[in-house]
Amino acid sequence: DTGVSQNPRHKITKRGQNVTFRCDPISEHNRLYWYRQTLGQGPEFLTYFQNEAQLEKSRLLSDRFSAERPKGSFSTLEIQRTEQGDSAMYLCASSLVQGKGEAFFGQGTRLTVV
Amino acid sequence: AQKITQTQPGMFVQEKEAVTLDCTYDTSDPSYGLFWYKQPSSGEMIFLIYQGSYDQQNATEGRYSLNFQKARKSANLVISASQLGDSAMYFCAMREGSPRSLHDYKLSFGAGTTVTVRA
Repeated sequence: DTGVSQNPRHKITKRGQNVTFRCDPISEHNRLYWYRQTLGQGPEFLTYFQNEAQLEKSRLLSDRFSAERPKGSFSTLEIQRTEQGDSAMYLCASSLVQGKGEAFFGQGTRLTVV
Repeated sequence: AQKITQTQPGMFVQEKEAVTLDCTYDTSDPSYGLFWYKQPSSGEMIFLIYQGSYDQQNATEGRYSLNFQKARKSANLVISASQLGDSAMYFCAMREGSPRSLHDYKLSFGAGTTVTVRA
């Protein structure tokens, strides 16, 4: 499968615990994005990488959130001291600089904080 | 202000009929791109169709076509010959600026429209 891959697909955690999600983009894509989607809403932009450089972080991304993309390949999104409000679907997407700029999404990681 | 507005929370359509999903957008950037994505219950966002702000013709991809009315700032998706597998959430999204720009890359999404196809 050459699409965007996200792991785990589901995560249930207790409030206050740290969680980490992984995203493997389409191999030739140099741009990688993280979005968050709550129930009944469209995805909201969180952060963006071009190669290994993190170029923007949304104000939605509090200091409990951190994202990395070492060597410009896979990316991780970590949430520290999770809160119930962090419960959401976390979507990763990748795209090429060339072309229309359409982003290809993974299946997401659904986080439930109890 | 909302950049993308989808006013139809849910729609029902009979199998084999066409359905139109509304999308209006708001931007002052002359260069932008409009996208439609499908999200089935499995959660994955599937890219359907793209329209660039400078494209002269409406985009078409198989059974999907985009009715682009630039002056009205609308980009409605038309699904022809609906199939049961078309039942899903549909999102309209916009990228402002050129796709090559370092700073105009992220997508702004609407709230989505749920489509249910009836047999």
